[in-house]
Amino acid sequence: AQRVTQPEKLLSVFKGAPVELKCNYSYSGSPELFWYVQYSRQRLQLLLRHISRESIKGFTADLNKGETSFHLKKPFAQEEDSAMYYCALNSGGSNYKLTFGKGTLLTVNP
Amino acid sequence: NAGVTQTPKFQVLKTGQSMTLQCAQDMNHEYMSWYRQDPGMGLRLIHYSVGAGITDQGEVPNGYNVSRSTTEDFPLRLLSAAPSQTSVYFCASSSDSTGKPEAFFGQGTRLTVV
Repeated sequence: AQRVTQPEKLLSVFKGAPVELKCNYSYSGSPELFWYVQYSRQRLQLLLRHISRESIKGFTADLNKGETSFHLKKPFAQEEDSAMYYCALNSGGSNYKLTFGKGTLLTVNP
Repeated sequence: NAGVTQTPKFQVLKTGQSMTLQCAQDMNHEYMSWYRQDPGMGLRLIHYSVGAGITDQGEVPNGYNVSRSTTEDFPLRLLSAAPSQTSVYFCASSSDSTGKPEAFFGQGTRLTVV
């Protein structure tokens, strides 16, 4: 069975500091991984997907199949990055069967 | 463009009562899913649907029923509410036609069972 692990429940950094939110997965097939973000009082939304190799709001994430990891990184954190971040693995055809990690609450202090 | 709409936003039930959480999407997405979000547990899949008339169980289906009579609607029924079903419920939809895999979420329903 697939599993997504986010080891940090809480992560607190100062504005301008680098941020890394960890995500490890276990999956027997070829993984399709995502980062979703939930800002305060807003709905859950997609931040980025590994297949696009994109940078969104300064965040990047690289899939490392050898280490089964998909860590989210940003070189300089901003206060508006404060949110709950979820790593998710897609085991359905089109994102209808997502397995989520438990989430990491990121707080960026001024 | 409303996207995914859930009603109600908040609900308090007594143990043993039944109710239906509504979910509607206006994006003509073929796939819809229900998740529950509990503190320290992340989101867990309850049921999902790959099209009208087709549903299947997710990770935590017990105590919940679903049906999909139209593309737009995917209601979640609690048959006999229990305190363990106190949670925030999220509905999501997705599609193959967008070309970019992504689930679109509703704003959530916060349910308390007393």
